[in-house]
Amino acid sequence: DGGITQSPKYLFRKEGQNVTLSCEQNLNHDAMYWYRQDPGQGLRLIYYSQIVNDFQKGDIAEGYSVSREKKESFPLTVTSAQKNPTAFYLCASSTEPNYGYTFGSGTRLTVV
Amino acid sequence: AQSVTQLDSQVPVFEEAPVELRCNYSSSVSVYLFWYVQYPNQGLQLLLKYLSGSTLVESINGFEAEFNKSQTSFHLRKPSVHISDTAEYFCAVRTNAGKSTFGDGTTLTVKP
Repeated sequence: DGGITQSPKYLFRKEGQNVTLSCEQNLNHDAMYWYRQDPGQGLRLIYYSQIVNDFQKGDIAEGYSVSREKKESFPLTVTSAQKNPTAFYLCASSTEPNYGYTFGSGTRLTVV
Repeated sequence: AQSVTQLDSQVPVFEEAPVELRCNYSSSVSVYLFWYVQYPNQGLQLLLKYLSGSTLVESINGFEAEFNKSQTSFHLRKPSVHISDTAEYFCAVRTNAGKSTFGDGTTLTVKP
């Protein structure tokens, strides 16, 4: 079945470390998105990509980086510059504007 | 720019009672409207969408939403809720430019 796979489901990071969250889709969608979700704050857009080898900053890009070398993959790196990285991270993909987003099951990142 | 306001952050109801989750939006261009549902520790799932035509749209599990252009609203309703409907619900708008804007979410808690 087609869908989006995020891994790992849970991730623990020591302060000062970079970590990379994986997002892979087999839906042949052009656009992919990364969101951060904190309790009571809804979804905040980190980065998005509408085509391979191109991506744009969202509302809270500081301390994060992405790449889009393949249509299927959109990994997110949480760098040591991100001051408060503990959150639930969601990856999504989409096609035409009149379609909704397909979301992965999320990665919960905790800084220890 | 677009914005989405979900008027209630929490809605507690008893099982088999009706419920309405309210969503207002603003946009200077035409938008597509969506409702998503999120169960604990999972990604969002598309519940229903309004693209054009009939202003009343329905989902397969008994939810419906009505698009009101004059009031710029897209409220979600269900005539009789079940315990299993307990979840967080997100309203979203999307333009032809592609990106979605999400509301902050409404937590629906169904009590026995």
